Amino acid sequence: DIRMTQSPSSLSASVGDRVTITCRASQSISNSLNWYRQKPGKAPELLIYAASILQSGVPSRFSGSGSGTDFTLTISSLQPEDFSTYYCQESYFAPYTFGQGTKLESK
Amino acid sequence: QVQLVESGGGLVQPGGSLRLSCAASGFVFSDHYMSWVRQSPEKGLEWLAYITGRDSSVYYSNSVKGRFTISRDNGENSLYLQMNSLTADDTAIYYCVRRIYYHSGSNFDLWGQGALVTVSS
Repeated sequence: DIRMTQSPSSLSASVGDRVTITCRASQSISNSLNWYRQKPGKAPELLIYAASILQSGVPSRFSGSGSGTDFTLTISSLQPEDFSTYYCQESYFAPYTFGQGTKLESK
Repeated sequence: QVQLVESGGGLVQPGGSLRLSCAASGFVFSDHYMSWVRQSPEKGLEWLAYITGRDSSVYYSNSVKGRFTISRDNGENSLYLQMNSLTADDTAIYYCVRRIYYHSGSNFDLWGQGALVTVSS
């Protein structure tokens, strides 16, 4: 199975900050990489797919980049609703592994 | 309204069985692959199985193969997960998820609210 490793595991930031989360795959996955946000007590929601394509309805402050094994999710200006947990997920091979998550907390 | 609504979660004893249901609405259910994904504090998010839209071909993760069965009824716009031989490791929130293919992969673009399954004596 492909292993997905996110860093950092947790991050403290303030409203208006620019933040970046990284995700590394244990082998090349081309651009088969998705990002999700999970608000407390809610189901995950898709933010970005194919490494850099913004899902319909997702604010433009979110962006993604990368290919091969290294990927990043950037939030250009944090909003209060962004203090959540973020997950990357590979869709190259089953079992479509998720990263362990990055919890974004208010400073 | 485009949504997925799970039901059937609850408390079950080790070795027992449980069947989850997922009611889909607001989209052409038969056009879409569907999956089950679960989440626990110990294992995080874990994809379990998918089923194709019209011919109901299925594929399972190794962690549930032989114990869980995914199925669908396109006439009822419903997805199911039959879970047998449950252990404490199966305790989790179970999500019904729509799977969408794109040119180089797939994503899970629509999630239900989740159904809690607790395996305990």
